[in-house]
Amino acid sequence: QKEVEQDPGPLSVPEGAIVSLNCTYSNSAFQYFMWYRQYSRKGPELLMYTYSSGNKEDGRFTAQVDKSSKYISLFIRDSQPSDSATYLCAIVIRGWGKFQFGAGTQVVVTP
Amino acid sequence: GAVVSQHPSWVICKSGTSVKIECRSLDFQATTMFWYRQFPKQSLMLMATSNEGSKATYEQGVEKDKFLINHASLTLSTLTVTSAHPEDSSFYICSATRGLSVNEQFFGPGTRLTVL
Repeated sequence: QKEVEQDPGPLSVPEGAIVSLNCTYSNSAFQYFMWYRQYSRKGPELLMYTYSSGNKEDGRFTAQVDKSSKYISLFIRDSQPSDSATYLCAIVIRGWGKFQFGAGTQVVVTP
Repeated sequence: GAVVSQHPSWVICKSGTSVKIECRSLDFQATTMFWYRQFPKQSLMLMATSNEGSKATYEQGVEKDKFLINHASLTLSTLTVTSAHPEDSSFYICSATRGLSVNEQFFGPGTRLTVL
C-alpha cells in the first residue's frame, strides 16, 4: 500500500466551478500536509500547507485536514483556466522528514 | 526570492553515455538539496538527499554508483546518470531547502532526460 494515495484524474471542470481534490494517507505519524501545483514540464510550487486538522484558507484555495480519517482535501473556488495544472499533495513526518508525494491529480478548467 | 534552477532543461543521449544535471539555488544558500525522479502520471520519488560537503544519502532501491551526486557548494548540486539506459528516461527534479520550515523547500523546473 502506498503511503499517500491520490487519484490521478484527469478532472475536468467548467470555469467558475469548485475544484475538489483529495488524498488519503496511511501513516498517522505524518505531521505536515502540503499542496503543490505543477504545470507541465515544470517543478512543483507550494500552494498551501498546514499541520493541524481543520480548514485553512488562502484566497480561492482552502485546505482541509481530517487526521482521524487520514484524509486531506484542497478546494479551489471560482476556478479559472489558469488553474489547469497537476496538483500534488505531499505529507511530511516531523519537520524535515522525507516528503511523501501523491501521484498528482491533473485538473483541466474549461472556459 | 528562493529560485532554484536546473540545467539542462532537457537532454537526449545515447544508451551507455553519462549525463550530468546541475541544480543551483540562485538567491539563497541551500543547507540540503534533494533529487527526485518523476515518471509520467506518477508521483515524485525521492532518490537521494544531499548535504554540502558530505556524501549523499540514497533511498532504498536507488543505485548510488549509477546516480552520482556531488554537492560541491551551498548553491550547487549535480546529479550524474552514468551509463544511461532507456529505462532511465524520466523527469528529474531537484529541490533546495532554505531553512528549517517545511515551506522552505523550493523546487527546480526539472530536467527531461531521454535515453535512446
